[in-house]
Amino acid sequence: GAVVSQHPSRVICKSGTSVKIECRSLDFQATTMFWYRQFPKQSLMLMATSNEGSKATYEQGVEKDKFLINHASLTLSTLTVTSAHPEDSSFYICSARETTGTGTYEQYFGPGTRLTVT
Amino acid sequence: AQSVAQPEDQVNVAEGNPLTVKCTYSVSGNPYLFWYVQYPNRGLQFLLKYITGDNLVKGSYGFEAEFNKSQTSFHLKKPSALVSDSALYFCAVYSWGKLQFGAGTQVVVTP
Repeated sequence: GAVVSQHPSRVICKSGTSVKIECRSLDFQATTMFWYRQFPKQSLMLMATSNEGSKATYEQGVEKDKFLINHASLTLSTLTVTSAHPEDSSFYICSARETTGTGTYEQYFGPGTRLTVT
Repeated sequence: AQSVAQPEDQVNVAEGNPLTVKCTYSVSGNPYLFWYVQYPNRGLQFLLKYITGDNLVKGSYGFEAEFNKSQTSFHLKKPSALVSDSALYFCAVYSWGKLQFGAGTQVVVTP
């Protein structure tokens, strides 16, 4: 099946600094990528949807100036957490939807990035 | 609004016994339903999906799910659970170009 990678898998940063997380679709082209946030033992919360070459669409309550999303190519999307604070500590998961003509609506998920802000 | 509900926070089952994880949906129109599994500190792995066709859907790792329109359910099943099936399971519905996830059900399979 299609593979989505994320880098880094874990990151620890100091409060006030910025952190960039990369999401890549390794063997397919992804017109649309999604960023989720997950708290321990909870469901995934969609943060934003990004389409290649256009601005991301953020879900209600997600600060777009804090969580910067760039989808510069069909295989790469980045999430930058700016001026991180301890409450931003979480598990961030990206997902990519394969560009097909069959409309299978299937999303492939990355392995996640554990962000800890100290 | 389209949504799915997973009524059980946790399901406990002994190895070798049948495993069922419940999911009900609320959808206008035809539902596109999915099951995913998540192991600790990992992303989600796709198990199976229902788009149209046979109500019984077979997926990865011996899992299957039955789409029941009258009961608006899409329960995940496995005839004989393994300890390695212990994980967090999510039901999801595709709505307006996005997946809406249920709250998740923790499955614990004991030896």
